[in-house]
Amino acid sequence: RKEVEQDPGPFNVPEGATVAFNCTYSNSASQSFFWYRQDCRKEPKLLMSVYSSGNEDGRFTAQLNRASQYISLLIRDSKLSDSATYLCVVAPYSSASKIIFGSGTRLSIRP
Amino acid sequence: GAVVSQHPSWVICKSGTSVKIECRSLDFQATTMFWYRQFPKQSLMLMATSNEGSKATYEQGVEKDKFLINHASLTLSTLTVTSAHPEDSSFYICSASTPRGPYEQYFGPGTRLTVT
Repeated sequence: RKEVEQDPGPFNVPEGATVAFNCTYSNSASQSFFWYRQDCRKEPKLLMSVYSSGNEDGRFTAQLNRASQYISLLIRDSKLSDSATYLCVVAPYSSASKIIFGSGTRLSIRP
Repeated sequence: GAVVSQHPSWVICKSGTSVKIECRSLDFQATTMFWYRQFPKQSLMLMATSNEGSKATYEQGVEKDKFLINHASLTLSTLTVTSAHPEDSSFYICSASTPRGPYEQYFGPGTRLTVT
């Protein structure tokens, strides 16, 4: 079993749609959780950290369920510019140590 | 978010030569930086963890004598690909971890290496 598993995608949705990504992780002791986005041939960019209380940033909402070891990302009112690969990332330790990437979910927004 | 720069952004070199890539955290001190490699349509692969003032920790299968890492200051880590071969052609990306929780990693823009 992979340490971090994501929906395989690809997702192809119309502009304005709401899209949800899911992610599960295997290490119950994992400390920190993040969503990154990566555009083609570019570096990953931090979208948001994910907290147990859930957090929202504009059209983006992230949720963490530690009991189920599950992380989600919701994008509302999707824009063409949201087209990218979304990476679920888990940090096993509470220090500046290596992080574990999911394989990513590709999202395409069509006009 | 924090800014990490990487230089050069792309480089073409001949087989057998060495290439040095620099990674700088511009607005925070990073005791820990990471080096990744990414092949087309594949996930990022961690190569090594670079700690300021100490030896890097390499992932299994990564040759430490081929990929030399130096983290001489809190804002600079370098990766030198020695005796490069065409199979070393890849996208090399560094990241720097913020010094306090939740220890977010910010990535440099990457260096595209082509070995001919």
